[in-house]
Amino acid sequence: DSGVTQTPKHLITATGQRVTLRCSPRSGDLSVYWYQQSLDQGLQFLIHYYNGEERAKGNILERFSAQQFPDLHSELNLSSLELGDSALYFCASSVELKYGSGYTFGSGTRLTVV
Amino acid sequence: GIQVEQSPPDLILQEGANSTLRCNFSDSVNNLQWFHQNPWGQLINLFYIPSGTKQNGRLSATTVATERYSLLYISSSQTTDSGVYFCAVGKNQAGTALIFGKGTTLSVSS
Repeated sequence: DSGVTQTPKHLITATGQRVTLRCSPRSGDLSVYWYQQSLDQGLQFLIHYYNGEERAKGNILERFSAQQFPDLHSELNLSSLELGDSALYFCASSVELKYGSGYTFGSGTRLTVV
Repeated sequence: GIQVEQSPPDLILQEGANSTLRCNFSDSVNNLQWFHQNPWGQLINLFYIPSGTKQNGRLSATTVATERYSLLYISSSQTTDSGVYFCAVGKNQAGTALIFGKGTTLSVSS
């Protein structure tokens, strides 16, 4: 167990729907990163939150949004889902923004859009 | 942005063989990690190694930051070593995420 918890592990939904993925970072970690892994794009950075504030955006679609709550858990919201959104979604956490010793990944949420 | 290239893309080994995986990166970094993605999709952190050498059991890694490359050594490979090995780098500045290579797919047969 990495200490980073992601739920649900699997999600099957229809095109046009909206889903929410949840991530709880390791105890003491203030940073949460979201990544998408698809067969054609590999592992792509989506968005980074640090202590409740958005710090950086990567290749995140406008249909996607995220937030980090006061208890430091984070949610990734995916709306108007398309077939191409099917992927593994990972979150990672790290302890320090500037002096991080490494990022630890959760086990991922496998999203299938049908 | 930083480019990360991993080689070889695929590797097939017999159990007990040794292997070396390479990661080249295009800019100076102060975060470099090796991950193993197992057949169930889980990303397991193997090493945090922005410079120097580390060893953990049959695995070891070396990063030569000045020459912008890192090597992952797997000795006496086992079937459980199969999966995809990723190198990821970052600058550890505010808001900098890890940039991943495309990975090396390792298949170990008994």
